[in-house]
Amino acid sequence: DSGVTQTPKHLITATGQRVTLRCSPRSGDLSVYWYQQSLDQGLQFLIQYYNGEERAKGNILERFSAQQFPDLHSELNLSSLELGDSALYFCASSVASAISTDTQYFGPGTRLTVL
Amino acid sequence: SQELEQSPQSLIVQEGKNLTINCTSSKTLYGLYWYKQKYGEGLIFLMMLQKGGEEKSHEKITAKLDEKKQQSSLHITASQPSHAGIYLCGERRRGGSEKLVFGKGTKLTVNP
Repeated sequence: DSGVTQTPKHLITATGQRVTLRCSPRSGDLSVYWYQQSLDQGLQFLIQYYNGEERAKGNILERFSAQQFPDLHSELNLSSLELGDSALYFCASSVASAISTDTQYFGPGTRLTVL
Repeated sequence: SQELEQSPQSLIVQEGKNLTINCTSSKTLYGLYWYKQKYGEGLIFLMMLQKGGEEKSHEKITAKLDEKKQQSSLHITASQPSHAGIYLCGERRRGGSEKLVFGKGTKLTVNP
């Protein structure tokens, strides 16, 4: 158990809908990362938040947004869903210090299926 | 953009055999992470390498970073069915975000 929790574990929805994925980081970790894993693209970085502020953006679609709350949990919002959004979505957390050995610990993931 | 190439893409071995997985970058690696993933589950952190020539071990798994810091290898000794899964190498880029860029993964099957 990495200490990172994600809910829900599975999500099945229809095209055009909106969903929210939730992540609670490990105790003491200030940074949250969201990744998308699909068969064709592999594991891709979406976005990072550090202590409530957006820190970095990757290949995140405009239909997707995220935020990190004062208690440090994070939510990833996916809207106008398309079939191609079906994937595993992972949250990871780390201390995110300037120390280069900072390690990201991953949650169990949310499997999103868009029908 | 810089990519991480993992080889082989998949590997099937008999229990008890040794095996090696490679991760190669076109540029100098700043920090190299190895994770293991069971199908459809989260990533489990194995090891992190930063210094050229560095070698770390955890149980029967050893990871090395070559002197030029452009390739890392993961070696499993006397493989067991519990070693089966997808092994992913991830690179941390120098400066800015702490995000990781991952290779495509190596799928390992260990037959009893």
